[in-house]
Amino acid sequence: AQTVTQSQPEMSVQEAETVTLSCTYDTSESNYYLFWYKQPPSRQMILVIRQEAYKQQNATENRFSVNFQKAAKSFSLKISDSQLGDTAMYFCAFITNSGYALNFGKGTSLLVTP
Amino acid sequence: GAGVSQSPSNKVTEKGKDVELRCDPISGHTALYWYRQSLGQGLEFLIYFQGNSAPDKSGLPSDRFSAERTGGSVSTLTIQRTQQEDSAVYLCASSLDDPEGFSFGPGTRLTVL
Repeated sequence: AQTVTQSQPEMSVQEAETVTLSCTYDTSESNYYLFWYKQPPSRQMILVIRQEAYKQQNATENRFSVNFQKAAKSFSLKISDSQLGDTAMYFCAFITNSGYALNFGKGTSLLVTP
Repeated sequence: GAGVSQSPSNKVTEKGKDVELRCDPISGHTALYWYRQSLGQGLEFLIYFQGNSAPDKSGLPSDRFSAERTGGSVSTLTIQRTQQEDSAVYLCASSLDDPEGFSFGPGTRLTVL
């Protein structure tokens, strides 16, 4: 089975602080892609960051970075200098090279407070 | 260019009625997906279309759910005899069959009274 676990249903962080969202996944395949999506109240799913499993270097996009631990099947998202606009649901997802559908976790609701 | 669009944005219906949800993918995207997002849950895969191939319907929860994709473009998800547990946000996504290239629509929020 291919599963994604996000163990933090809700998190809160103060503006300008740093927060880390956790994600673990399970797959027997070795080639896959990992993603973090953001879903604000508008419902629009927005790609935040992606990581190819064959790359050892952790992906970074401005204030967003990941800690990818392939052996542990862990893919956490770090948001630095949190902004009010970061308030949203965050979903961890992956897709294998042999598959065609994204597998999603249940999401983490992040609230950024002033 | 235009992104994935879905209509209606919100739909309220009575239990037992049929509903149709529409998805317009990005032009040229060969792959199209429907997902269901229930309250407090992640995105649940429903169905996948790729070009002219037979769709993968393995995620459809019951035979009340069906979907079609006409001309390799627009897709319609139909739910017959709606039940209250069908209440959810239905998201459509399209891609060039590239694992990194998913684009999502804004979803349709379905409420079954």
